[in-house]
Amino acid sequence: DAGVIQSPRHEVTEMGQEVTLRCKPISGHDYLFWYRQTMMRGLELLIYFNNNVPIDDSGMPEDRFSAKMPNASFSTLKIQPSEPRDSAVYFCASSLARARYYEQYFGPGTRLTVT
Amino acid sequence: AQSVSQHNHHVILSEAASLELGCNYSYGGTVNLFWYVQYPGQHLQLLLKYFSGDPLVKGIKGFEAEFIKSKFSFNLRKPSVQWSDTAEYFCAVSTHYGGSQGNLIFGKGTKLSVKP
Repeated sequence: DAGVIQSPRHEVTEMGQEVTLRCKPISGHDYLFWYRQTMMRGLELLIYFNNNVPIDDSGMPEDRFSAKMPNASFSTLKIQPSEPRDSAVYFCASSLARARYYEQYFGPGTRLTVT
Repeated sequence: AQSVSQHNHHVILSEAASLELGCNYSYGGTVNLFWYVQYPGQHLQLLLKYFSGDPLVKGIKGFEAEFIKSKFSFNLRKPSVQWSDTAEYFCAVSTHYGGSQGNLIFGKGTKLSVKP
């Protein structure tokens, strides 16, 4: 299995631009999570989906952030407009409810730099 | 709300020293417990997990953790650390509580620096 796939791996953009991060979960997994990691705030859960439906988006910092999961194999996290304080590593993770462990498998992350 | 506490923010050890990283959680029901490791510049990887059965769990690279239900703890141990163990370690708990079922609650992480 290819694991969780994220793209791009690195993104550098200017303040005010729209940024779209992409994630492909492990095939068959029914939970998908978006995290943000910074030195200051550590690992933060932004939003998670179960069977493509958003379950908890309380971690989404502002209306500038939105996430979608149009199908079981694809999710996007969009920031519009981006700001320098959005600079972070964004991780996507997936898990399988049937496994009962709820063990999450993380992708390699997207390092976002907003100048 | 459920929470996970990791007692140490940064631990510095010399090679061959023994390691114990503390983790406590606040939830009285059935839990699954995890330790993840994040090597510098990499993503989180599972080190070990507890679901049920023997409370002493052995993971990869010589790590182990002990689940003590009465103390709500799941401490990570390694008898002799190596320089390559330098990383950040995250404790996490999943519950079967309906509202957060499927989610993992992560601690804030402990950075381990091993001096050669």
